[in-house]
Amino acid sequence: GENVEQHPSTLSVQEGDSAVIKCTYSDSASNYFPWYKQELGKGPQLIIDIRSNVGEKKDQRIAVTLNKTAKHFSLHITETQPEDSAVYFCAALWSSASKIIFGSGTRLSIRP
Amino acid sequence: NAGVTQTPKFRVLKTGQSMTLLCAQDMNHEYMYWYRQDPGMGLRLIHYSVGEGTTAKGEVPDGYNVSRLKKQNFLLGLESAAPSQTSVYFCASSYRRLAGYNEQFFGPGTRLTVL
Repeated sequence: GENVEQHPSTLSVQEGDSAVIKCTYSDSASNYFPWYKQELGKGPQLIIDIRSNVGEKKDQRIAVTLNKTAKHFSLHITETQPEDSAVYFCAALWSSASKIIFGSGTRLSIRP
Repeated sequence: NAGVTQTPKFRVLKTGQSMTLLCAQDMNHEYMYWYRQDPGMGLRLIHYSVGEGTTAKGEVPDGYNVSRLKKQNFLLGLESAAPSQTSVYFCASSYRRLAGYNEQFFGPGTRLTVL
């Protein structure tokens, strides 16, 4: 069945450095890939997304890349700041089934 | 706007007890969803609703029931709670179906412990 794998499960980076989180998906029919950020005690919140007809999308310090051939996509955060500390989830949407599958999450910690 | 709200925030149940989780949204969204979040497993869809009076099963529906009697409310019921249902439950809503790339808005979650 459909599956989304996310790595790493935890990531610690020095403030100011970059962080990269990677996800792979199993079904080539998926066509929409959102990233959610979950702060402690809160629900997930969409931070960026990318559609299958686009290879890269950037929003200030956050960027997402998509490689459809390899079926993987990545979240890049540059110039990390303390407020970037959170759990990040990738997801893939299977429009044929109108359902979304989430990755297992990455706990990002920013060291001062 | 309050967005998506969930009641209660915390609950402890004994095995076999029943309870209902309430989700409310004030964004006039058509679609609503219930997820559970377990360590190392991300978010898994329990049930969802595409409109008032309609519900459908998600990825892990067993042991749960839902109702959508009003557009703004989506109820999740546990008839006979089991320890395996200990989890954090999130409600979400979206304007249209996910195939339209519509953003899901999540509530703050309900932490449920079943002893």
